Amino acid sequence: GNSVTQMEGPVTLSEEAFLTINCTYTATGYPSLFWYVQYPGEGLQLLLKATKADDKGSNKGFEATYRKETTSFHLEKGSVQVSDSAVYFCALSEGSNDYKLSFGAGTTVTVRA
Amino acid sequence: EAQVTQNPRYLITVTGKKLTVTCSQNMNHEYMSWYRQDPGLGLRQIYYSMNVEVTDKGDVPEGYKVSRKEKRNFPLILESPSPNQTSLYFCASSLVGGSREQYFGPGTRLTVT
Repeated sequence: GNSVTQMEGPVTLSEEAFLTINCTYTATGYPSLFWYVQYPGEGLQLLLKATKADDKGSNKGFEATYRKETTSFHLEKGSVQVSDSAVYFCALSEGSNDYKLSFGAGTTVTVRA
Repeated sequence: EAQVTQNPRYLITVTGKKLTVTCSQNMNHEYMSWYRQDPGLGLRQIYYSMNVEVTDKGDVPEGYKVSRKEKRNFPLILESPSPNQTSLYFCASSLVGGSREQYFGPGTRLTVT
């Protein structure tokens, strides 16, 4: 079945540092890939997505590239801010009869001023 | 405003007392789904619905029921809650077709004592 593995946290960074969160996946076909973000006390929001190989998703300074050859979708941001403190989830969706998102365990990121 | 709403947001109940968590979306989405979020496990799908009167089990359906009588509503029913159903619950919706992007509700924190 489908699965997502993302790097374990927590991750603590100083403001303006570079952030990368590794995500690899297992799927039988060609899934769509997502990064969702959960700010404290809130629901999940879509951060970015990619629907086919070599696509790059980007939003709010975050980027991730769909790499089929390495089955990866690593999240990066060049200069984090305190407001980026959140839990980040990598997820995939595949299959025609269910749009289920298969999530990684989540990575908690804390950015210090 | 396009949104997914859930009620209640917080609920403390006792073992065996039936409860319903409501979910409603105003985006005319065909697909709706329930997830539970537990520490270290990410989000896991409970049930989903591809359209009105069409529901199916997700990965962790035991102890839950759902119904989809109207397109906009997808309630989650716990007939006899148990302490292992203490969790954070999210409803999500999506258009069928397209990028499979799902929109999440704000979450319902349930405690069963």
